[in-house]
Amino acid sequence: SQKIEQNSEALNIQEGKTATLTCNYTNYSPAYLQWYRQDPGRGPVFLLLIRENEKEKRKERLKVTFDTTLKQSLFHITASQPADSATYLCALGGYSGGYQKVTFGIGTKLQVIP
Amino acid sequence: GAVVSQHPSWVICKSGTSVKIECRSLDFQATTMFWYRQFPKQSLMLMATSNEGSKATYEQGVEKDKFLINHASLTLSTLTVTSAHPEDSSFYICSARDRGQAISNYGYTFGSGTRLTVV
Repeated sequence: SQKIEQNSEALNIQEGKTATLTCNYTNYSPAYLQWYRQDPGRGPVFLLLIRENEKEKRKERLKVTFDTTLKQSLFHITASQPADSATYLCALGGYSGGYQKVTFGIGTKLQVIP
Repeated sequence: GAVVSQHPSWVICKSGTSVKIECRSLDFQATTMFWYRQFPKQSLMLMATSNEGSKATYEQGVEKDKFLINHASLTLSTLTVTSAHPEDSSFYICSARDRGQAISNYGYTFGSGTRLTVV
């Protein structure tokens, strides 16, 4: 069955360092992969999308890589700030049964320590 | 950018009663909306895909008679939890995509979620 793995343990890093989060998946061939940020008690907020034919994408302090051979995406936040503390969700998108479907990982909680 | 409004943000109800949750796209038309459920420390689980003017498509294991979905207009989808029980207590979130905007830049827009507690 399809599986998305994110390190569900919290990731603690020092302010100013680069945070790297991992998303691995199995039994899936996504057309694209997305990263979302979720704060406690709130809905996810879209950050970045990378397509299956793209290797890397950047947006301000964020960088996403996508390796369809390894079935892995890495999400980097450079010069991390305490305001970056949140849970980050990996989501795979594609077509299932004729319609678009997005499947989420459990998320990784990031804590940036001042 | 696209905005999805979800109400109520939290609700407490007695076991056996029904609760309705609304999801509105404020500045775009959404022919399709998605309903998710999230238990503590678990991932968002897609419950159903709501299609304007037609029946919703439910994911395997989701009881369609218990979770009634109505998508009567291009900007409104509702989820009604019927005969709620304590095990239905969860965080319910809707999402939609503005097809007028590139998915690469905007992804899916989520509502702020509804915390349902059944006592």
